[in-house]
Amino acid sequence: GQQLNQSPQSMFIQEGEDVSMNCTSSSIFNTWLWYKQDPGEGPVLLIALYKAGELTSNGRLTAQFGITRKDSFLNISASIPSDVGIYFCAGRGNEKLTFGTGTRLTIIP
Amino acid sequence: DAGVTQSPTHLIKTRGQQVTLRCSPKSGHDTVSWYQQALGQGPQFIFQYYEEEERQRGNFPDRFSGHQFPNYSSELNVNALLLGDSALYLCASSFVNEQFFGPGTRLTVL
Repeated sequence: GQQLNQSPQSMFIQEGEDVSMNCTSSSIFNTWLWYKQDPGEGPVLLIALYKAGELTSNGRLTAQFGITRKDSFLNISASIPSDVGIYFCAGRGNEKLTFGTGTRLTIIP
Repeated sequence: DAGVTQSPTHLIKTRGQQVTLRCSPKSGHDTVSWYQQALGQGPQFIFQYYEEEERQRGNFPDRFSGHQFPNYSSELNVNALLLGDSALYLCASSFVNEQFFGPGTRLTVL
């Protein structure tokens, strides 16, 4: 099935560093979403974006809906240990979600 | 307020068998979607149920079928299991807007 292109595939950072990841698609979406998934759990919604060009923050997280409607990025500032996990972008069109391939974030002590 | 719940948590089946997974949506949600997540991949959309009807379907064979009950809960049925059906099966519920996921059912096919 289709998956969106998400990069990087994995990141190894130190606590306190900023993180940036992005997602691209060949299709246009009306909504972009970012989820975080911990081991053994379902994805948890972090941020939802509804309009091209929209920039939205949720605490230390900031995400943008690309102007072409085919991409989105997520930034995490001043990372902390609980940020560890797998981050997925998802595009929504016609109700169903199409997910990215995921970015695994690891914090090096 | 309970979130999305799924049962069972884990399941082991053998090839050729049939399986039924269950999902109770978050309170107030009327739409249920099912996703399959293979190891190391993002979730893949199977189908969505609304008003007890299948509203949309992803690229999955007819071996995958579902049902939604009047209380909005849902079941996912998979017939003639294959080794490749081993995955985490996620249920998500929604009401108009965004989908909230349950913890999933880990299915292993031997």
